[in-house]
Amino acid sequence: EAGVAQSPRYKIIEKRQSVAFWCNPISGHATLYWYQQILGQGPKLLIQFQNNGVVDDSQLPKDRFSAERLKGVDSTLKIQPAKLEDSAVYLCASSPPGTGLGSYNEQFFGPGTRLTVL
Amino acid sequence: AQSVAQPEDQVNVAEGNPLTVKCTYSVSGNPYLFWYVQYPNRGLQFLLKYITGDNLVKGSYGFEAEFNKSQTSFHLKKPSALVSDSALYFCAVRDMSVGFQKLVFGTGTRLLVSP
Repeated sequence: EAGVAQSPRYKIIEKRQSVAFWCNPISGHATLYWYQQILGQGPKLLIQFQNNGVVDDSQLPKDRFSAERLKGVDSTLKIQPAKLEDSAVYLCASSPPGTGLGSYNEQFFGPGTRLTVL
Repeated sequence: AQSVAQPEDQVNVAEGNPLTVKCTYSVSGNPYLFWYVQYPNRGLQFLLKYITGDNLVKGSYGFEAEFNKSQTSFHLKKPSALVSDSALYFCAVRDMSVGFQKLVFGTGTRLLVSP
């Protein structure tokens, strides 16, 4: 079974530039997550999709970050314009369909994209 | 809000010795707790979870974790450490308030196993 794919693996940009990250989840996984992991911290959820709908984007800085999952499969996360504090690893994860609030399905993580903003 | 704390930035242990990586939690309601491991330049890998049932949970690669409700702890353990266990370990709790599978992670503990 292929894992979660992410590209690019590394990106260096100047502040105020734009950048986009791509994620292809495991086939059949309905739920897709984008996390931001700043050096020395744990991953922080930015946005969660269920199929192509947004479940939670409460921690997404919407003035500069956007994400979409148009066909309920792969997803793109964009930052425009980037700030120095956006330097982090951006992790994508997916999980199979759940059976309700009482269940939990393991999240499978991709290798991440390391973003450096200069 | 749900949260977890990992009080140690780094744990050092010699190969063959038992290891413990500590985690305490703060939740309202029943806790759903997890451990993930992160190797360099790789994504997080699921190790184990506690949902309900036995307080001792067994997971991947010989790891186990002990849920202790009175101490609000969920420490990760392994009877005999391997050099290849050296990695970054994250404790996480499921946040039931928004989005039914949102995880809140701790800050991580770096485990260094010396030969």
